Amino acid sequence: RKEVEQDPGPFNVPEGATVAFNCTYSNSASQSFFWYRQDCRKEPKLLMSVYSSGNEDGRFTAQLNRASQYISLLIRDSKLSDSATYLCVVNMYDTGGFKTIFGAGTRLFVKA
Amino acid sequence: NAGVTQTPKFRVLKTGQSMTLLCAQDMNHEYMYWYRQDPGMGLRLIHYSVGEGTTAKGEVPDGYNVSRLKKQNFLLGLESAAPSQTSVYFCASSYGQGGMSNQPQHFGDGTRLSIL
Repeated sequence: RKEVEQDPGPFNVPEGATVAFNCTYSNSASQSFFWYRQDCRKEPKLLMSVYSSGNEDGRFTAQLNRASQYISLLIRDSKLSDSATYLCVVNMYDTGGFKTIFGAGTRLFVKA
Repeated sequence: NAGVTQTPKFRVLKTGQSMTLLCAQDMNHEYMYWYRQDPGMGLRLIHYSVGEGTTAKGEVPDGYNVSRLKKQNFLLGLESAAPSQTSVYFCASSYGQGGMSNQPQHFGDGTRLSIL
């Protein structure tokens, strides 16, 4: 089982739709969580950190469920410009020490 | 505000050639990382550094070497390039101390490397 897993998609949604992605992680000792956005042939860019109590940034809401070991990203009122790949990132401790694991990403296409 | 800068942006090598990728950051970050990204796969950590003069192996270190002689620079070397090393390479940096970093990483815009 991969340490961090995401549905690769693609998710195809119309403009204005609400879409949600989940990301599961296997290590219960995971410390911190982030969502990144990556446009085609570009570098990953931090979208938002994920806090235990959940957090919101404009149209984006991130949630953490430690009991079920997943994080989620909700995008409301989707825009064409939201089309990208969304990467889930988990910092964790294991026998090898501290490390950062990137999910393979979920592709989103928002269509007019 | 440059952030993380990678050079070169593109490179084509022949099998067996060597080259060095340069990463520079101006954010005074302690931690620096080199990743490769291949189609359909997540970012995979090659090597990382928790401070000037220190480096450590990541998930896929074979065939690569690194050096961190100055805090702001992290170099990735390919001693004898192989076609399997054709990839997009990203450098990143972050705040961190004491052997851990819960801070987000900031990325350079990548180096596209093709090995023929």
